[in-house]
Amino acid sequence: ETGVTQSPTHLIKTRGQQVTLRCSSQSGHNTVSWYQQALGQGPQFIFQYYREEENGRGNFPPRFSGLQFPNYSSELNVNALELDDSALYLCASSFPSGGGQETQYFGPGTRLLVL
Amino acid sequence: AQKVTQAQTEISVVEKEDVTLDCVYETRDTTYYLFWYKQPPSGELVFLIRRNSFDEQNEISGRYSWNFQKSTSSFNFTITASQVVDSAVYFCALILMNTGFQKLVFGTGTRLLVSP
Repeated sequence: ETGVTQSPTHLIKTRGQQVTLRCSSQSGHNTVSWYQQALGQGPQFIFQYYREEENGRGNFPPRFSGLQFPNYSSELNVNALELDDSALYLCASSFPSGGGQETQYFGPGTRLLVL
Repeated sequence: AQKVTQAQTEISVVEKEDVTLDCVYETRDTTYYLFWYKQPPSGELVFLIRRNSFDEQNEISGRYSWNFQKSTSSFNFTITASQVVDSAVYFCALILMNTGFQKLVFGTGTRLLVSP
């Protein structure tokens, strides 16, 4: 186990609703990244938080937003849910030592179904 | 732009067979890291290996081995004497070293089915 936890494990929402997913990083890790994995696809980078600031973002609209707290846990918020938002949402934590070589350790994910 | 290609969608083998999973990557950068992750049915991505672009030495860890060839932009993964527990989806991924953040670019994955 990586020590990265996510909640909830499963979630069902309807179109137009809002959802909040949570992630607790591995002890000592101050960087959290979020990924979306559609069925049969590889994970796609949503954004990354380092020391409570967003420091990188992928090609996702602004209705995908996040937060990182002083204890380095994180939230992913999605507003105005669409059917295509149905996916596995993965959180990963890491400790940057410079240069990008740090390994990202993933949690078990949250499966979101939008009806 | 960076891209990772895993051309093999699904591979089926019988236990004890050797199997190689292919990974080809594209990047204009000269400094980068390559990764392999395993995703069992539970969904969690399990880190297997990290390799930087300056180190082309092959690596062996138990039944797992990795072959990195910069000349062909490939980072292939071989499982020797496969076991049923190796059944999973395997992802190859790339990170650039010289950006301000660490974004993993994943391939589409190869599903490995090992039957008894």
